[in-house]
Amino acid sequence: AQSVAQPEDQVNVAEGNPLTVKCTYSVSGNPYLFWYVQYPNRGLQFLLKYITGDNLVKGSYGFEAEFNKSQTSFHLKKPSALVSDSALYFCAVRASNTGGFKTIFGAGTRLFVKA
Amino acid sequence: DAGVTQSPTHLIKTRGQQVTLRCSPKSGHDTVSWYQQALGQGPQFIFQYYEEEERQRGNFPDRFSGHQFPNYSSELNVNALLLGDSALYLCASSWRLAGTNEQFFGPGTRLTVL
Repeated sequence: AQSVAQPEDQVNVAEGNPLTVKCTYSVSGNPYLFWYVQYPNRGLQFLLKYITGDNLVKGSYGFEAEFNKSQTSFHLKKPSALVSDSALYFCAVRASNTGGFKTIFGAGTRLFVKA
Repeated sequence: DAGVTQSPTHLIKTRGQQVTLRCSPKSGHDTVSWYQQALGQGPQFIFQYYEEEERQRGNFPDRFSGHQFPNYSSELNVNALLLGDSALYLCASSWRLAGTNEQFFGPGTRLTVL
């Protein structure tokens, strides 16, 4: 069965400092991995994805994520946090061998960036 | 180009009632998925439709049903509402032949069951 774990309910970081939001996953076969961000009373907004190839993927708003197959992790990172990055972040996985778009989401990590 | 749209924005129902939520996919997309996001949780996959048929289903009871129309828009129906059905219901669209692509999400419908 597919699953996603986001071990931190909340991450606090000062503006200008680097940030990391952790994610580990479990899926049979090769995973498609995604990060989405959700602002209050809004739907989910796509940030980046890993499908294949380079383990470091770059996405919107300066975010990047590193795929680590041996650790089954896909941590989200940003070199310098902004106050406007404060939001709810979701890691998600889709099994590549089942077809379709069924996607399993983690419980979310709330990022708080202090000025 | 309009993104994914959902209606209504908010809805209040009482236990035992039935509700219908609507979704119009992003232009060019033919696949619609529905998710339930309870307060403080991540979205949970309900089901996916393309070519007017349910193709994948998550772990939700038969009280949850759907429909897709020839113009690719979709409805989510929930019968015999329970208090636990209170959640944000998200619609996501995609193009079936682009299986590696991300889904585009609508703003959601907030359902409150009293």
